[in-house]
Amino acid sequence: GESVGLHLPTLSVQEGDNSIINCAYSNSASDYFIWYKQESGKGPQFIIDIRSNMDKRQGQRVTVLLNKTVKHLSLQIAATQPGDSAVYFCAENRGGGSNYKLTFGKGTLLTVNP
Amino acid sequence: ETGVTQSPTHLIKTRGQQVTLRCSSQSGHNTVSWYQQALGQGPQFIFQYYREEENGRGNFPPRFSGLQFPNYSSELNVNALELDDSALYLCASSSGLAGGIDTQYFGPGTRLTVL
Repeated sequence: GESVGLHLPTLSVQEGDNSIINCAYSNSASDYFIWYKQESGKGPQFIIDIRSNMDKRQGQRVTVLLNKTVKHLSLQIAATQPGDSAVYFCAENRGGGSNYKLTFGKGTLLTVNP
Repeated sequence: ETGVTQSPTHLIKTRGQQVTLRCSSQSGHNTVSWYQQALGQGPQFIFQYYREEENGRGNFPPRFSGLQFPNYSSELNVNALELDDSALYLCASSSGLAGGIDTQYFGPGTRLTVL
């Protein structure tokens, strides 16, 4: 089972630097991946998604990279700002195309220092 | 803001009691998913409702049950509460594209504390 507790991977960066948050997934049948940002006391907020037929997708200040060979996902945030401080979760759709059951990773706590 | 609302914001119950949590989906969405998020963990899928029918369930016991109404709002009911049920309960709505994959948008959650 999963470990219990507050031991989240953490990333601390300086304001203006680029941030890279990594995520490993386990199910090679997963075909849809999403990054969410969760601030303290709030629900997860959608950032960007990518389908398995792509290896890169860009949004505003964010880029998601997907490496299906090693089952790895990353989120790159350009010019990180203090408002980017939050816990970031990757999630995968393991439904093999079904709409349900997002499976979330443990999360990474990003702290941006002014 | 996603347009997904949940009530109540906070709730305190004692062991053995029952609780009902409510969710209103975003306009135009017909699918609601419920997740449980323990402190320091990622959300865990409980179940999903699509057009008033259960459309998939995670590894939760039968005392976790749900409903979806004709207006696509939803309820999560938990019977015989246990201390480990203390968590943030999240509702997410999506458009339920037939045969497609669509994004789930989350509400702010209900913080349940079981004493």
